[in-house]
Amino acid sequence: GDSVTQMEGPVTLSEEAFLTINCTYTATGYPSLFWYVQYPGEGLQLLLKATKADDKGSNKGFEATYRKETTSFHLEKGSVQVSDSAVYFCALGGGADGLTFGKGTHLIIQP
Amino acid sequence: SAVISQKPSRDICQRGTSLTIQCQVDSQVTMMFWYRQQPGQSLTLIATANQGSEATYESGFVIDKFPISRPNLTFSTLTVSNMSPEDSSIYLCSVVAPRGAKNIQYFGAGTRLSVL
Repeated sequence: GDSVTQMEGPVTLSEEAFLTINCTYTATGYPSLFWYVQYPGEGLQLLLKATKADDKGSNKGFEATYRKETTSFHLEKGSVQVSDSAVYFCALGGGADGLTFGKGTHLIIQP
Repeated sequence: SAVISQKPSRDICQRGTSLTIQCQVDSQVTMMFWYRQQPGQSLTLIATANQGSEATYESGFVIDKFPISRPNLTFSTLTVSNMSPEDSSIYLCSVVAPRGAKNIQYFGAGTRLSVL
């Protein structure tokens, strides 16, 4: 079945550092790919998405590119802020079949 | 987008009891999903609940343990029956966006359940 693997956390960075959170997937066909973010005490929020190969999703300074050849969807941000501290989930699927999630990566940004 | 309200936000329950979680959406949606997030784990899909039909359960989840109701297009409930400590998790309701991109899901804030 479908699966998502993302780097284990917690990931601790200093403010203004460059961020990469790796995500790779296994799926039949060409699913849509998503990054969701969960801030402390809140529900999951969609951060960005990509629906086909080579699509780049972007939002709030975060970017991720749908790489079919490497089955990856790595999340990047050029300069992180303390307010970016949260748990980030990579996911695939959507629509009638629901979503398959990775385990989540806890990101901690220190001032 | 869709605004989803879940009740209760958290609860502490005794072994052997049942808890019903409510999910209210601010617009009519066809597809609703229930997920479980066990401590330190990823989100796992429990079932899909479409109005007017029986809920469809994923492997490892059964209706007797997690009965679901979907009486209309804006509301659903999930019951966690005969609870044990292994049921301690966050339970999340999710819907597919009523308009726009059909494969985007929106989530409630979740219900944090602890079973003693």
